[in-house]
Amino acid sequence: QSVLTQPPSASETPGQRVTISCSGSSSNIGSNTVNWYQQLPGTAPKLLIYTNNQRPSGVPDRFSGSKSGTSASLAISGLQSEDEADYYCGAWDDSLNGWVFGGGTKLTVL
Amino acid sequence: EVQLVESGGGLVQPGGSLRLSCAASGFTFSSYSMHWVRQAPGKGLEYVSAISNNGGSTYYAKSVKGRFTISRDNSKNTLYLQMGSLRAEDMAVYYCARGRQTVTTRYFDLWGRGTLVTVSS
Repeated sequence: QSVLTQPPSASETPGQRVTISCSGSSSNIGSNTVNWYQQLPGTAPKLLIYTNNQRPSGVPDRFSGSKSGTSASLAISGLQSEDEADYYCGAWDDSLNGWVFGGGTKLTVL
Repeated sequence: EVQLVESGGGLVQPGGSLRLSCAASGFTFSSYSMHWVRQAPGKGLEYVSAISNNGGSTYYAKSVKGRFTISRDNSKNTLYLQMGSLRAEDMAVYYCARGRQTVTTRYFDLWGRGTLVTVSS
């Protein structure tokens, strides 16, 4: 049981837009920044979005993040087949005094 | 090239020990906190342990506290995770990750490819 809650799966057709949610509490998302990691099949996680909505160099602007209260969202527009991956949200938790992750969302591009 | 390369994984019996290493290159290792994150087969990410840039502070998840020890050798640009009293539930791919932290934010900006730890008799 993960501290942050994500839908286990999402799907959309190429070219469309998909949103993945991440729900937490006042001790994690509510008081700290949220990050998103992309894990392509058989590979290590990679930083996709940091500090709620910042993209590292090299990440296309099709990927965007937002946060409101104790929830966060990752949006991917202009979906491409190579976006098929698992996506994880993560945040620091002040109560646990440690990092917490969501259970991951498996994105399928139909 | 900026990278992290883990090693030391393998098959170990329940109750056994194993030491993982993570070799860093391409950046000033001693300037960053370092972390271990694991992923059980078919499961999500689980935070395991952290160490500050100078090794003065450490953190452990409840699930491994008292059994795992994190350390680093800044002269060798290497991070370690000494694992003991291993259990079946410790079986996972172990990733090392570089931490970034400011007053207002923190995240992992670089990950290694991982090393697989299998706990089985």
